[in-house]
Amino acid sequence: SQTIHQWPATLVQPVGSPLSLECTVEGTSNPNLYWYRQAAGRGLQLLFYSVGIGQISSEVPQNLSASRPQDRQFILSSKKLLLSDSGFYLCAWRDRNSYNEQFFGPGTRLTVL
Amino acid sequence: KNQVEQSPQSLIILEGKNCTLQCNYTVSPFSNLRWYKQDTGRGPVSLTIMTFSENTKSNGRYTATLDADTKQSSLHITASQLSDSASYICVVRWMDSSYKLIFGSGTRLLVRP
Repeated sequence: SQTIHQWPATLVQPVGSPLSLECTVEGTSNPNLYWYRQAAGRGLQLLFYSVGIGQISSEVPQNLSASRPQDRQFILSSKKLLLSDSGFYLCAWRDRNSYNEQFFGPGTRLTVL
Repeated sequence: KNQVEQSPQSLIILEGKNCTLQCNYTVSPFSNLRWYKQDTGRGPVSLTIMTFSENTKSNGRYTATLDADTKQSSLHITASQLSDSASYICVVRWMDSSYKLIFGSGTRLLVRP
């Protein structure tokens, strides 16, 4: 069966510090991968998606970047965090042969102080 | 503009009671509509997925309905349990893109003993 992992689960970082959030998927090959951010009381906002190694598409201009160094690894990064980067970050995957289901990871709660 | 709006924003019910959550969307054309359950601090978990040709789908005590003509969906929860306390998110897949999901901001349900 497929599983998706995210770490860390929670993170508190000072403004201006770097960021690296990791997402890995097990039990599937060549998935589509997604990074979302969820602000309190708001719907999920798609940040990045990837259809393959090294292929990253950005949905919104922002202070963050994403990379996919391996087939089942998706990384969200920042060189200098802003207060507005605080939020709940969710990674998701989809079988590229199915348009029906996206499976979400457990999320990372990021607080920038 | 493609939007998904949910009501009510929050809801409190007593254990054992039924409730219905609403979702209105303007996404067009759309491929499918999903309902997710999201426990606090966790990733969303899929409850139901309906294509435009389906008008009802059940998953245990959860029953989703879809009226593609009026662009409305509802999620009915029967005999609520304390574990039903969560946010319920309506998500519509926009057919113009292979990846684009439009998320509602969710209904926060609290079931009290």
